[in-house]
Amino acid sequence: AQSVAQPEDQVNVAEGNPLTVKCTYSVSGNPYLFWYVQYPNRGLQFLLKYITGDNLVKGSYGFEAEFNKSQTSFHLKKPSALVSDSALYFCAVRLSNDYKLSFGAGTTVTVRA
Amino acid sequence: ETGVTQTPRHLVMGMTNKKSLKCEQHLGHNAMYWYKQSAKKPLELMFVYSLEERVENNSVPSRFSPECPNSSHLFLHLHTLQPEDSALYLCASSQGRGSNEKLFFGSGTQLSVL
Repeated sequence: AQSVAQPEDQVNVAEGNPLTVKCTYSVSGNPYLFWYVQYPNRGLQFLLKYITGDNLVKGSYGFEAEFNKSQTSFHLKKPSALVSDSALYFCAVRLSNDYKLSFGAGTTVTVRA
Repeated sequence: ETGVTQTPRHLVMGMTNKKSLKCEQHLGHNAMYWYKQSAKKPLELMFVYSLEERVENNSVPSRFSPECPNSSHLFLHLHTLQPEDSALYLCASSQGRGSNEKLFFGSGTQLSVL
């Protein structure tokens, strides 16, 4: 079984400040980890993924995420948030030998000007 | 645009109605998915089709009936739904079902069951 937890329903930050969206996962094997973003009235868009290699993964729109195996975490980060980053963010996990993608419940990010 | 188009964008139906949701992908992908998105809950995987064959039916009630006539089109037929079925229904596609493949999502159909 595999699952993802996003412990914060909402994250509020001021524009220009660092943004962190937390994600922890639980799998019984090697995880492949993903972040997706959903803007209002739109479907989910892929941001980045961790498959193997460097623990720090860089993605779209200046986002990055760090894979931490010991803490089973994959937190999403952006050094300087923009108002346009306000959206719903989903973390997701797959086993390396499976196609089922399990999503977290999502974190709503609000960046105030 | 993601290359995945869903129609209609909004749908209101009574519990005795029959309706269908449509999804079309223009990406040449060979795997397609239906997800259900409810507020404050993880996305629920409903069905997966690979090369037009259903490979996953995630304990979804029979009032939801998928159809995949070819690799570009996916339908979700709805009948005798319940109010708790009100949600955003998302279609997605991917190139293969490999575990490192990313999904491309449509904008969804917002369904309200009265």
